[in-house]
Amino acid sequence: EAGVTQSPTHLIKTRGQQVTLRCSPISGHTSVYWYQQALGLGLQFLLWYDEGEERNRGNFPPRFSGRQFPNYSSELNVNALELEDSALYLCASSQFGVNTEAFFGQGTRLTVV
Amino acid sequence: SQQGEEDPQALSIQEGENATMNCSYKTSINNLQWYRQNSGRGLVHLILIRSNEREKHSGRLRVTLDTSKKSSSLLITASRAADTASYFCATGLTGGGNKLTFGTGTQLKVEL
Repeated sequence: EAGVTQSPTHLIKTRGQQVTLRCSPISGHTSVYWYQQALGLGLQFLLWYDEGEERNRGNFPPRFSGRQFPNYSSELNVNALELEDSALYLCASSQFGVNTEAFFGQGTRLTVV
Repeated sequence: SQQGEEDPQALSIQEGENATMNCSYKTSINNLQWYRQNSGRGLVHLILIRSNEREKHSGRLRVTLDTSKKSSSLLITASRAADTASYFCATGLTGGGNKLTFGTGTQLKVEL
């Protein structure tokens, strides 16, 4: 069974540009979560989608946005990139509901120069 | 903000020894999950323990949960060099659906 897949693996962008990261969840999982892991800041929750709807949002500015498609895959968009957006962006998926295991992809390493 | 604090921040042991990592959290939880991360890559799911469970085992892993003390521990027995990684606890908060809040992590180094 395929795990959570993310693309691209690495990305270099210039400050002020826009970027789109993609995530395909495990088959049968309807929830997708996005996390940011910046150096020295730990894993910070960004967004949670389920059945195409945004269920929860972390403490990030509106230039971080995303969506979930009918096939449950998801995109994370970041506009007006800043240097501090450089981080590993991790996507996870789970079945909807409490006490379900969340499985992570390998992440997208974004570098903003 | 971080929900949990992990202790120790770093741990260095010899191969064959046991490694114990602790996680403390602040608010009521539905579950607590432990993850491993190698060299800044993706997280590997290790184990989930529900708030009404006290102990779970998976291979060389043993996890305990004490909700009265708001703490959990991860024990890795007979450690191997391949266990070298960062270990994170993540809590599913009551009322938070399945959104996870992560601790600060423990860096484990297992030396030959």
